[in-house]
Amino acid sequence: SAVISQKPSRDICQRGTSLTIQCQVDSQVTMMFWYRQQPGQSLTLIATANQGSEATYESGFVIDKFPISRPNLTFSTLTVSNMSPEDSSIYLCSVEISVYGYTFGSGTRLTVV
Amino acid sequence: AQSVAQPEDQVNVAEGNPLTVKCTYSVSGNPYLFWYVQYPNRGLQFLLKYITGDNLVKGSYGFEAEFNKSQTSFHLKKPSALVSDSALYFCAVRQGLPSNTGKLIFGQGTTLQVKP
Repeated sequence: SAVISQKPSRDICQRGTSLTIQCQVDSQVTMMFWYRQQPGQSLTLIATANQGSEATYESGFVIDKFPISRPNLTFSTLTVSNMSPEDSSIYLCSVEISVYGYTFGSGTRLTVV
Repeated sequence: AQSVAQPEDQVNVAEGNPLTVKCTYSVSGNPYLFWYVQYPNRGLQFLLKYITGDNLVKGSYGFEAEFNKSQTSFHLKKPSALVSDSALYFCAVRQGLPSNTGKLIFGQGTTLQVKP
């Protein structure tokens, strides 16, 4: 199964700034997924990132706020832009591995002050 | 569009009693269904999945789930609950083939509280 290294594990940021989260996978994968988990809530899919094409965003999420890069088959970044306290959440990346299983990163706990 | 509903925000059971955490889904075509558990300040842990075959799926830590196509349900069960089972449980669905989106959509989560 794939192993994901997600960085940073946590951060405290000032409102109005941006944070870039990185996910490195130890094998090549076609699709990577980015999720947000707001405090006490479920995981909400932000976007699907395919290598070589623009990310596909879910309803309620836009590229200007959450730009995503996918430069190769093992790496992706999610940027949370112009942050406000409402962006305080856990952000997770995920990949689909063989036999319809999924691996998740350990998450980035973001606090915006 | 695919969706998952977990109708109970919290389930309370006594240790040693059987537990059920409910999940219903909506998806076009054949569903691929998953259960995950999340302990406080920790990542998601995979419990079990249904892709095809036997409707009763057995997973980690003594958990099992039954796929019911007519009721579009995938309830999580355990014959005898442990205090250490107390955690947040998520049901999730992926649209099956021929869909190739790979998107996994989560339910809102159910907190399981097992009391000694």
